[in-house]
Amino acid sequence: NAGVMQNPRHLVRRRGQEARLRCSPMKGHSHVYWYRQLPEEGLKFMVYLQKENIIDESGMPKERFSAEFPKEGPSILRIQQVVRGDSAAYFCASSPLAATDTQYFGPGTRLTVL
Amino acid sequence: KQEVTQIPAALSVPEGENLVLNCSFTDSAIYNLQWFRQDPGKGLTSLLLIQSSQREQTSGRLNASLDKSSGRSTLYIAASQPGDSATYLCAVRETSGSRLTFGEGTQLTVNP
Repeated sequence: NAGVMQNPRHLVRRRGQEARLRCSPMKGHSHVYWYRQLPEEGLKFMVYLQKENIIDESGMPKERFSAEFPKEGPSILRIQQVVRGDSAAYFCASSPLAATDTQYFGPGTRLTVL
Repeated sequence: KQEVTQIPAALSVPEGENLVLNCSFTDSAIYNLQWFRQDPGKGLTSLLLIQSSQREQTSGRLNASLDKSSGRSTLYIAASQPGDSATYLCAVRETSGSRLTFGEGTQLTVNP
């Protein structure tokens, strides 16, 4: 059973470009969470999704950031018009059930904005 | 708003030493608490998960305790090894939702 997969592992964008980060949860998991780790800071929750539904997006910046988890395919975290402050490691986690289970983390995508 | 604090921020010990990492949280209404390990440039590996009704969990040389009423958890590592060198993160899941709130971690170095 493969773990949580994220791609790309490293992404370089210039200011103003768009960044798309993908997350494939573990097999059988229907809950996906995105976290961001800024340099020298802890992980911060961004958004929690189930298939085709955003459950909690209270940690998402109000502008430029969006997330989806379609019925088929990976979850996507999209950052439009990136700025240097978006440079961070973005981690995805998945769990089979919402409240009771361990969240399993992917290896992260390291975004660098030039 | 839940806040999670980890002390110390960094710790360096000689191989073989037993050590304790501390985690405190401000809101005791948690569903569970999880300890993770993060290696440089890598993702997070779950070490132990303690449900709010439990007092401790053990896995090999690791033992985690939870005192929910005082808002504290400790991670005890016995007979430390250089391979234990990593950043250790504590995270709480609140009863009201499924997000994890993380501390900033303790960076552990075990010297041979």
